[in-house]
Amino acid sequence: AQSVTQLGSHVSVSEGALVLLRCNYSSSVPPYLFWYVQYPNQGLQLLLKYTTGATLVKGINGFEAEFKKSETSFHLTKPSAHMSDAAEYFCAVGPNTGNQFYFGTGTSLTVIP
Amino acid sequence: DAGITQSPRHKVTETGTPVTLRCHQTENHRYMYWYRQDPGHGLRLIHYSYGVKDTDKGEVSDGYSVSRSKTEDFLLTLESATSSQTSVYFCAISDGLAGDTQYFGPGTRLTVL
Repeated sequence: AQSVTQLGSHVSVSEGALVLLRCNYSSSVPPYLFWYVQYPNQGLQLLLKYTTGATLVKGINGFEAEFKKSETSFHLTKPSAHMSDAAEYFCAVGPNTGNQFYFGTGTSLTVIP
Repeated sequence: DAGITQSPRHKVTETGTPVTLRCHQTENHRYMYWYRQDPGHGLRLIHYSYGVKDTDKGEVSDGYSVSRSKTEDFLLTLESATSSQTSVYFCAISDGLAGDTQYFGPGTRLTVL
C-alpha cells in the first residue's frame, strides 16, 4: 500500500523567507507525486506534479518540488514567501495501478508580516 | 478550472435523517471520487466510480452509499446521518490514467446536529 507523510502540521515563516514543506512517501513502484494547495473555504488546486523525467518540477506561484527517489521525498519549496501563500498544502501519491490517490494530512502555512 | 460543481454547498441536518450530496461534472471524466476532510486526517476516500453504475469503496465507506446513473453525476447518500459524519465533503474527477491529475470541486460543508 502507498502512504504519504507530511512532517509538520503547521509551519510559520516570515514574509520573504524560504518556504519548505516536507513530504515523504512509501511506494513499491515509482510514484506519481502531487502537491495541492487549499485556500480557506475552497477546494484543492493543483500546484505541481511529478510523473516522469526531470526530478525538479516547477509549479504555479513560484513553487517547486524535487523528487528524490533515494530519500523517498518530494519536498515543496519557494524561495520567498508572500502573504498570499498562507494556505493548507497537501502532498499526494497517485495510482500506478488501481484508482486511489493517497493524501498526506496536510500542512498549514502561516506567513508572518 | 475543471467544471465541477457540488450541491448543496452548505447543509445542516439532524441525526437520523437521510442526506444526499450531488457532484456534477462537465469534463466527461471517467472517474469520480468522494472524499471527506477532517482536521488531522487530511482527505479520506469514501467511494469512487470508474464508470456509469460502476463504483467501489474507499477507506471510510461505512454509513455512505453512492450512485452514478450518468457520466456527469455522482451522488453521495448518508442513509441515516450521524454527528460523526459532520465534515467537509469534496468531489473529485480524473481520467483515471496513470499520472493523471485529480480535479476537485468546491466542497460541501455538512453539519449533523
